[in-house]
Amino acid sequence: DGGITQSPKYLFRKEGQNVTLSCEQNLNHDAMYWYRQDPGQGLRLIYYSQIVNDFQKGDIAEGYSVSREKKESFPLTVTSAQKNPTAFYLCASSLKTEANYGYTFGSGTRLTVV
Amino acid sequence: AQSVTQLGSHVSVSEGALVLLRCNYSSSVPPYLFWYVQYPNQGLQLLLKYTSAATLVKGINGFEAEFKKSETSFHLTKPSAHMSDAAEYFCAVSSDNNNDMRFGAGTRLTVKP
Repeated sequence: DGGITQSPKYLFRKEGQNVTLSCEQNLNHDAMYWYRQDPGQGLRLIYYSQIVNDFQKGDIAEGYSVSREKKESFPLTVTSAQKNPTAFYLCASSLKTEANYGYTFGSGTRLTVV
Repeated sequence: AQSVTQLGSHVSVSEGALVLLRCNYSSSVPPYLFWYVQYPNQGLQLLLKYTSAATLVKGINGFEAEFKKSETSFHLTKPSAHMSDAAEYFCAVSSDNNNDMRFGAGTRLTVKP
């Protein structure tokens, strides 16, 4: 079945450590997105990519980095510069970049700083 | 800039009662509007979307929403709540002028037996 796979489901990070969250899709979607979810704040956009080897910052990109070397993959690195990384991270994709297409979401990664 | 406001962070209804979740949007251009549902520790699932065709949109699981331009609203309704409807619901907006979708803060729906 086609879909988006996020891994790991749970991730623990030590202070000062970089961690990478995986997002893979086999839907042949062009666009991919990373959102951060905190209680009561909805979803906030971190980065998005509309085409391979290109990506744009969202509203809260500081302390995060991404790459889009393959159409299927859009990993997110949470760097030590992100001071409050504990959150639920959601990856999404869209068939086209046109705005009337809905998004398909992965099941999320819960990151906790220990 | 586009945005959505969801009125009420928590809504509680009895099983069999009407569900009404409110969403108002702000957009300077014709919007596309979406409702998503999220179950605990899961991603979001698309319930329905408005893309300038019919103003009354029917979605999955018996939900529907009506686009009202004069009220800048896109409220989600279901005639009779089921226990399985308990989840968090997000309203979202996008447009041809923007390459990303903006989400509301979410409304948590509780269904009482």
